Amino acid sequence: NAGVTQTPKFQVLKTGQSMTLQCAQDMNHEYMSWYRQDPGMGLRLIHYSVGAGITDQGEVPNGYNVSRSTTEDFPLRLLSAAPSQTSVYFCASTRGDSPLHFGNGTRLTVT
Amino acid sequence: GESVGLHLPTLSVQEGDNSIINCAYSNSASDYFIWYKQESGKGPQFIIDIRSNMDKRQGQRVTVLLNKTVKHLSLQIAATQPGDSAVYFCAEKARGGNKLTFGTGTQLKVEL
Repeated sequence: NAGVTQTPKFQVLKTGQSMTLQCAQDMNHEYMSWYRQDPGMGLRLIHYSVGAGITDQGEVPNGYNVSRSTTEDFPLRLLSAAPSQTSVYFCASTRGDSPLHFGNGTRLTVT
Repeated sequence: GESVGLHLPTLSVQEGDNSIINCAYSNSASDYFIWYKQESGKGPQFIIDIRSNMDKRQGQRVTVLLNKTVKHLSLQIAATQPGDSAVYFCAEKARGGNKLTFGTGTQLKVEL
């Protein structure tokens, strides 16, 4: 049981490049979400999904896309990276009323 | 709008002392509250949670207190140890919702 797995751990992009942050969970959780964490700020919700085929926007969705084709995977896509997207990204999942389980994050730098 | 905030950004305690980390929330519709611990380079880890129909809940060395009258939440850590050094976040969820709103975090430093 690996929990929530995020890849890659670190990534450096140039402005305008695109990439996908991967997130997978093996706990059969129906709810999955993406947060970003910036210095001095709490975690802010980017996008979330309550089940396969269903996604919705969070607090800071601009510049990011998501899809949920399977229960296990919830990739986050940056279509055209900007320096403002430099951050640490966390994927989290849960089932029912249980607390969120977090991955260990992807540290992204956009130059 | 709704917000969850912490009173102190940094808390320093001596090893063996008790720690108290405070959190204020403003959404009166919140009915579920969680404390997370985040160590350097890792994702947040669940510590303890409490629902709005309770005012106190205890775990191993940790206690969460909820005061709905003043919208205040606290995390008490008994006999603080060096391994407790981390950033602690409170988070809240509104009744009927599934999105967590996080506070900005408190850095707990344990001095030997």
